[in-house]
Amino acid sequence: GDSVTQMEGPVTLSEEAFLTINCTYTATGYPSLFWYVQYPGEGLQLLLKATKADDKGSNKGFEATYRKETTSFHLEKGSVQVSDSAVYFCALSVSDRGSTLGRLYFGRGTQLTVWP
Amino acid sequence: DGGITQSPKYLFRKEGQNVTLSCEQNLNHDAMYWYRQDPGQGLRLIYYSQIVNDFQKGDIAEGYSVSREKKESFPLTVTSAQKNPTAFYLCASSPGPSVRRTEAFFGQGTRLTVV
Repeated sequence: GDSVTQMEGPVTLSEEAFLTINCTYTATGYPSLFWYVQYPGEGLQLLLKATKADDKGSNKGFEATYRKETTSFHLEKGSVQVSDSAVYFCALSVSDRGSTLGRLYFGRGTQLTVWP
Repeated sequence: DGGITQSPKYLFRKEGQNVTLSCEQNLNHDAMYWYRQDPGQGLRLIYYSQIVNDFQKGDIAEGYSVSREKKESFPLTVTSAQKNPTAFYLCASSPGPSVRRTEAFFGQGTRLTVV
C-alpha cells in the first residue's frame, strides 16, 4: 500500500547549521509529495510541495526534490534559525485511484530543535 | 479570511460520555478529513468525506462517528466506545478528487482530554 517513511528524531542543531530530514515513500499510483510543519499547539501548515518527478518545491529557504528513481523527497535547508524549531511531516497524496482519491499519508514526524 | 475553524481548542470529557468536535470550513472544498495525532505516531486518519452526505472510514474509525450534512461542516463524535480518546484531533479539507495534486488545509486542532 501507500506509505511514507520519515527519518526519526529528534534532531538538534545549532543556528546556521545545515538541515536534512530524510523521507522515502511507497506508492502504487502517481503521488504528489508534501512537507508540512507544525508549531507547538497548532495545526499543520503546508511548507512545500512537488507534484511530479524531478520537481523541486521550495519555501522559506527549505527545499525538497521529488526523486522517482530513489522514491525520496528529502527536506533540506542551508542555514536553520531558532524559529525553524517545529515538527516536520512528510506526506503523499495519491490522486489516481478509487475511493482513496486525495487522502494524505503521513510520516511520523521529525522534531527539530535549533539552539542559538 | 478563508480557512478551517475547529472548536473548542481544549475539551475535557468524563469517561463514558460522548463528545462532539466541530469543524467548519469556508474554502468551498468538497473533501474533509479527521486525523488523530498522538506523540510519536504521526497523524492517523479517522474518517474522510469527499462529498456531502457521503463519508468513508479511515484507518482508526472504531469508536468514532461523523456526519456530512452540509459542505461546510464535518463534525466528529468521540463515543464512549473509544477506549483511549485522549489525543490531539485535526480537521482538514481539500478541493476534492476533481482537483488533483492539491494540498490539504488544516485547522488549529482540538485537544481532548478524558478525566
